[in-house]
Order: sequence, then structure tokens, then C-alpha cells
Amino acid sequence: GAGVSQSPSNKVTEKGKDVELRCDPISGHTALYWYRQSLGQGLEFLIYFQGNSAPDKSGLPSDRFSAERTGGSVSTLTIQRTQQEDSAVYLCASSRGQLYGYTFGSGTRLTVV
Amino acid sequence: EDKVVQSPLSLVVHEGDTVTLNCSYEVTNFRSLLWYKQEKKAPTFLFMLTSSGIEKKSGRLSSILDKKELFSILNITATQTGDSAVYLCAGPYNQGGKLIFGQGTELSVKP
Repeated sequence: GAGVSQSPSNKVTEKGKDVELRCDPISGHTALYWYRQSLGQGLEFLIYFQGNSAPDKSGLPSDRFSAERTGGSVSTLTIQRTQQEDSAVYLCASSRGQLYGYTFGSGTRLTVV
Repeated sequence: EDKVVQSPLSLVVHEGDTVTLNCSYEVTNFRSLLWYKQEKKAPTFLFMLTSSGIEKKSGRLSSILDKKELFSILNITATQTGDSAVYLCAGPYNQGGKLIFGQGTELSVKP
């Protein structure tokens, strides 16, 4: 596609439920990143996929968070047993290489009530 | 631990003013520093700086990197209300890997 597409754009869920957030990167971009941004805060790195290499999961805050990238394209970020502190905007970005920077999607605003 | 620090955290100016936003970094394996503008949700790319002392310009925006002193500045001249946004600085962008973002500078341009 023309840009990075994320869905849903907004998600309200009850505490304790699982959620899945989807990211469809720009076609041909080999690198895909997930970040989250809490209210008034900077972007916090979560996970990074590069081609067929093992993902860099160093930013995942707990074992309730996981992500996969199928076929080197679409990625899903799953949060199990959501907590109120998980409320944030989850941003996905993709890149075609180190000369080009990232292109961000519009994000998913997750609210845990 | 890699760190990117921006200042000021917030800034209020009037249209026509010139502003300078600061970004200092302590990162390993530095390659490039990036600037983004975030108005609503999605940050949009402004500049990638790799070489020290070479200014990059895009209209009223310009940026420069000092690799010896480990900082970068983003200048906006003749500010307009449409420049109101959060400006994010990030590094080290080596090997296309993860970026560490600063806290951002929230710029508000009043008419």
C-alpha cells in the first residue's frame, strides 16, 4: 500500500481481556517496528522485525506482550490480560533500509477500562 | 544505556518568531540522528543527519548535527500556526535498527 496501515484506529477494552493490533507495512519494506506512546510521553520502543532475522524483543514490557510478523509483511501485536497501564497509542513503522528513516502508521489508540 | 534528551520540553511563540529546538544524545554505535514532527498520531519524517556540520534545509526548517559535542538543533524560521506540533529527535539508527526517541518538544505557535 501507499502507507503504513494500522487497525483498529481506536480500541476500548475491559481490563483482563486480550487485544490484537494489526500493522500492514509499506510493500517492500523489510523492517517493521512497534512503539507505544503514553499520554504526554515520548515513543517507547517495543519490538523490531528485520527480514527473516530473529526479532529484537528487548522493549516488550512484560510477557503479556507478544508480536509476530507473518510472511515478512503484516504484523500483529497481542496484549494478553490487558491492564489500565497498557492504555496508550501503539504506533507501527516500517523502513526499507538505513538510508531512509521510518514511515509511521496512524496508530491504534488503546483504552483499557 | 542509550539516551536522547530534548529541550525545551515545551515552547510557546508567536507567528513570525524563530525557534531553536535542541537534541543531545548518548548512544552507542551512532550512525544517524532523525527528526520527526508529530501533529496528531503519526510522526512524519523531517530530516536524517549523518554528517557533522552539514546543514539540511527544507523550506523554513533546517537542522544540523555536531557529532563531536553529541547534539543537534532544529531551527524553524518565520513560524506559522501550522508548525504547532511535537518535534521528536531520535537515534542512533545504525544498521536500520531501533530508534531511541527523546521526550519531544511541544511547540505552540500563537497567531
